[in-house]
Amino acid sequence: EVQLLESGGGLVQPGGSLRLSCAASGFTFSSSSMTWGRQAPGKGLEWVSSISDTGGTTYYADSVRGRFTLSRDNSKNTLYLQMNSLRADDTAVYYCVKGGVSTTPLAYWGQGSLVTVSS
Amino acid sequence: QSALTQPPSASGSPGQSVTISCTGTSSDVGGYNYVSWFQQHPGKAPKLMIYGVTNRPSGVPDRFSGSKSGNTASLTVSGLQAEDEADYYCSSYAGRSNLVFGGGTKLTVL
Repeated sequence: EVQLLESGGGLVQPGGSLRLSCAASGFTFSSSSMTWGRQAPGKGLEWVSSISDTGGTTYYADSVRGRFTLSRDNSKNTLYLQMNSLRADDTAVYYCVKGGVSTTPLAYWGQGSLVTVSS
Repeated sequence: QSALTQPPSASGSPGQSVTISCTGTSSDVGGYNYVSWFQQHPGKAPKLMIYGVTNRPSGVPDRFSGSKSGNTASLTVSGLQAEDEADYYCSSYAGRSNLVFGGGTKLTVL
């Protein structure tokens, strides 16, 4: 059974930093593209960033490019999202997702981790 | 990266069929066969219902079907059941390694 467990969310002040982690199990992590999506309170889904199976290629939404960094450790089956220069509009539930932007669908979603940016 | 356009709401009675549209441009929906649909119940994570425009993942009832014509994709739910009441989101590859979602449609089973 595919399991994706996010951690690292919480309350942070504007301009601050936070690192989300996603522990994956139940599939061959090193062979899978991975993605982070987010959903602001009461709003729709938004794609944030994706990474190739090897970690050699990363893709970012315009809204987070230059502030967020996506990485992975295939030896630990873990995905990371480093979030810097956080803004109020980054407040959202962040989902770890198995899949990528095109050929591999976003097939499995974690339960999400809430990030709140507020002073 | 403009969001795809979905109607805010849709509804139908049990047993009826309902279709939800997802309109984009030739740079996303119309340009690629990488349209997906997701179901989200309140407080829950999204669930993949359709991928590659028409494909159903294992375990998704065949009451759910997808199609595309030009720049508009559609999700049809046949034989509506109470458990189908949820928010539905479409997504599409938008070129240059970008992914875009629709604004979501709240489906109500009357």
